[in-house]
Amino acid sequence: AQSVAQPEDQVNVAEGNPLTVKCTYSVSGNPYLFWYVQYPNRGLQFLLKYITGDNLVKGSYGFEAEFNKSQTSFHLKKPSALVSDSALYFCAVRGVSGRDDKIIFGKGTRLHILP
Amino acid sequence: DAGVIQSPRHEVTEMGQEVTLRCKPISGHDYLFWYRQTMMRGLELLIYFNNNVPIDDSGMPEDRFSAKMPNASFSTLKIQPSEPRDSAVYFCASSLLAGGPHTQYFGPGTRLTVL
Repeated sequence: AQSVAQPEDQVNVAEGNPLTVKCTYSVSGNPYLFWYVQYPNRGLQFLLKYITGDNLVKGSYGFEAEFNKSQTSFHLKKPSALVSDSALYFCAVRGVSGRDDKIIFGKGTRLHILP
Repeated sequence: DAGVIQSPRHEVTEMGQEVTLRCKPISGHDYLFWYRQTMMRGLELLIYFNNNVPIDDSGMPEDRFSAKMPNASFSTLKIQPSEPRDSAVYFCASSLLAGGPHTQYFGPGTRLTVL
């Protein structure tokens, strides 16, 4: 069965510092991996996704994520955090093989950027 | 494109009342998903449709919940009778295709409060 784990409920980072939000996954075969962001009182917004190829994926708002197959991880990163990056971040996975149409979401990590 | 549209944005009702949530997917998208978000359980998939046909309703919590998609541009999620534990934010999402790398796009959500 597919699963995704976000081990941190909350991450605090000082503005201007690099940030990392962690995600690990479990699927049969190869994965498709996604990051979404949710701002207060808003729906989830797509940030980026990994399909195949380059392990470093670049997305919206200066975010990037690194796919690591051996560690089954897909951590979200940004070189310099902004206060406006404060939000709830979701990692999601779908297996390449099989006919499963569903995306499995993690529980979310709240990112708090300190001014 | 206006994106996924949901109405109402907020709904406050009393226990026992019928509640109907509405969703208009992005034009041309063949898949529509209903999710529920709570602090305790995170983001849960309730049901999804392909070309207006329900494909998987295994996430629907009880018979009090029902969903319909009478045409490609409209879906409803109904709760009858509503209970306080149904209080949550309900999201609708749509995608061009499902499976594989296809991205789901979320609406702004309906915040339901059942007193």
